[in-house]
Amino acid sequence: LAKTTQPISMDSYEGQEVNITCSHNNIATNDYITWYQQFPSQGPRFIIQGYKTKVTNEVASLFIPADRKSSTLSLPRVSLSDTAVYYCLVGDIRGNAGNMLTFGGGTRLMVKP
Amino acid sequence: DTGVSQDPRHKITKRGQNVTFRCDPISEHNRLYWYRQTLGQGPEFLTYFQNEAQLEKSRLLSDRFSAERPKGSFSTLEIQRTEQGDSAMYLCASSHGTPGYGYTFGSGTRLTVV
Repeated sequence: LAKTTQPISMDSYEGQEVNITCSHNNIATNDYITWYQQFPSQGPRFIIQGYKTKVTNEVASLFIPADRKSSTLSLPRVSLSDTAVYYCLVGDIRGNAGNMLTFGGGTRLMVKP
Repeated sequence: DTGVSQDPRHKITKRGQNVTFRCDPISEHNRLYWYRQTLGQGPEFLTYFQNEAQLEKSRLLSDRFSAERPKGSFSTLEIQRTEQGDSAMYLCASSHGTPGYGYTFGSGTRLTVV
């Protein structure tokens, strides 16, 4: 299973763009990169998933360089409600192995007014 | 469909008692996962079902833990002879394995063993 490394914590201010980078040097050919957001006492919430290049949805963008050894989650114009833990996961989501997605410690994002 | 439902939301039990949690996944999702999360840590994988078949179990899942998914719909996770170390949030998730959609998690069951 590919291991991921991401910053333990980050601070930002309302209205700023936040970029959280995740390293996954051992990513395998069939692995996808997935990001989740988690608030206290709630289950993780899916943010975005990608395989290569750039993926964008209504809440975030995911940038993946050609070598796929890292990825960057970009949150535009954060608000106080974006204060949460963000997890980067790597795994073969289409395979039949259950432990496709292993959570690490995540990045605790604190958005200040 | 309102998402993944877990019941109960909270459970306090005495050490040595058995507990059972229920998960109702999104109806069209054939994959179901159980995770456990302790304070300050990321979720840890416990077990995985594809339809009714339990395809994988983590080594974290001791003999006291058992999970079922009869008929490939809802799932139950039972812990026998609970220990204080079992205190955690138990999370259920489901997916259909299609890229771009990820897992949908429930709100979890918080277990406290006293």
